[in-house]
Amino acid sequence: KNEVEQSPQNLTAQEGEFITINCSYSVGISALHWLQQHPGGGIVSLFMLSSGKKKHGRLIATINIQEKHSSLHITASHPRDSAVYICARGSYNTDKLIFGTGTRLQVFP
Amino acid sequence: GAVVSQHPSRVICKSGTSVKIECRSLDFQATTMFWYRQFPKQSLMLMATSNEGSKATYEQGVEKDKFLINHASLTLSTLTVTSAHPEDSSFYICSASALRDEQFFGPGTRLTVL
Repeated sequence: KNEVEQSPQNLTAQEGEFITINCSYSVGISALHWLQQHPGGGIVSLFMLSSGKKKHGRLIATINIQEKHSSLHITASHPRDSAVYICARGSYNTDKLIFGTGTRLQVFP
Repeated sequence: GAVVSQHPSRVICKSGTSVKIECRSLDFQATTMFWYRQFPKQSLMLMATSNEGSKATYEQGVEKDKFLINHASLTLSTLTVTSAHPEDSSFYICSASALRDEQFFGPGTRLTVL
């Protein structure tokens, strides 16, 4: 069992739909990251959060520390949102990140 | 925002040659840089962590003589794949950090060994 579980693994959506990607982890964390990886391979850091909620444009990330769960929401999805979304957790005693297996999102026009 | 570059973005080399990949933090000083490897449709795998001016810490199963890491300054780390073989073909990504829990990722380098 991976320490960081994401669901779903694959997701398809029509343009304009509201999208939710979930991430669960099993131990206490220092921070939770949401990353985006486009087909070309480069990774963009979307959010780093340790509590509450953050919003950037059409993207919203939330985290519930007690339930060890985070969600990434995309409002009014667009084909350019098609990418792999990865959550990763930090820990208190190391600088390393533990990555989830990613959610592959395809948004169709 | 913090920008991390990698060079080259793609490299094709013959088996047995060595390849150097550079990772630079362009607008901040990175005390720590991380090197990852990613196979198709798989998640990132941490290879090593390097701190400026000290030897890199390699993850279990990663050969340090095969993957040489140098972190000579606060803005530059290099990964050299020595005597590359086809099984070393992969996507290599670095990230740079100045603060705990914060990592900024480079665009990656796709290595193909013929």
